[in-house]
Amino acid sequence: GENVEQHPSTLSVQEGDSAVIKCTYSDSASNYFPWYKQELGKRPQLIIDIRSNVGEKKDQRIAVTLNKTAKHFSLHITETQPEDSAVYFCAASSPDSNYQLIWGAGTKLIIKP
Amino acid sequence: DSGVTQTPKHLITATGQRVTLRCSPRSGDLSVYWYQQSLDQGLQFLIQYYNGEERAKGNILERFSAQQFPDLHSELNLSSLELGDSALYFCASSGGLAGAYNEQFFGPGTRLTVL
Repeated sequence: GENVEQHPSTLSVQEGDSAVIKCTYSDSASNYFPWYKQELGKRPQLIIDIRSNVGEKKDQRIAVTLNKTAKHFSLHITETQPEDSAVYFCAASSPDSNYQLIWGAGTKLIIKP
Repeated sequence: DSGVTQTPKHLITATGQRVTLRCSPRSGDLSVYWYQQSLDQGLQFLIQYYNGEERAKGNILERFSAQQFPDLHSELNLSSLELGDSALYFCASSGGLAGAYNEQFFGPGTRLTVL
């Protein structure tokens, strides 16, 4: 079945710098890759997602890139701000696994002032 | 507000006891998911229902069970509680299958404390 690994587990960046979180997946049939953000004490919320027929997707300061050959996808946050501090979860799903979302372990992003 | 409601918000109980957590999905959503999140841990997928039927199972203990009712609300039953069951339990819903390009909307969670 699908397995998703997420790195790093903790990332500390200076405010204004960029942050990159990477996830690798095992099932080459996976075709949907969402990213969820969980602020401290709050519920996870979808921030961006990408389908396998697209290599990159942007939404203001966040972007997701997908490399199907290498089976990894990454979240990029530019010009980081204090409100970007949160735990970020990646996930992947495959039609071969009944479209079940398989989650990464999460990355705690700390924005230093 | 995601439109997903969970009750109760907090639950404090003793080891060996049984509790029921309740979730009402967003209006029209057919899929309901249950997750366990221990302190500083990730989202552990427990179980998924789609239109009343169990769809997928994750790392759900035999002491835990769930169901989805005809009105689409769901309940998670936790029995023979242990200290290690203390966690935040999230319910989420989606219109179709979350892995088929559908956003999951999470509820506010139920904080369970087992003493």
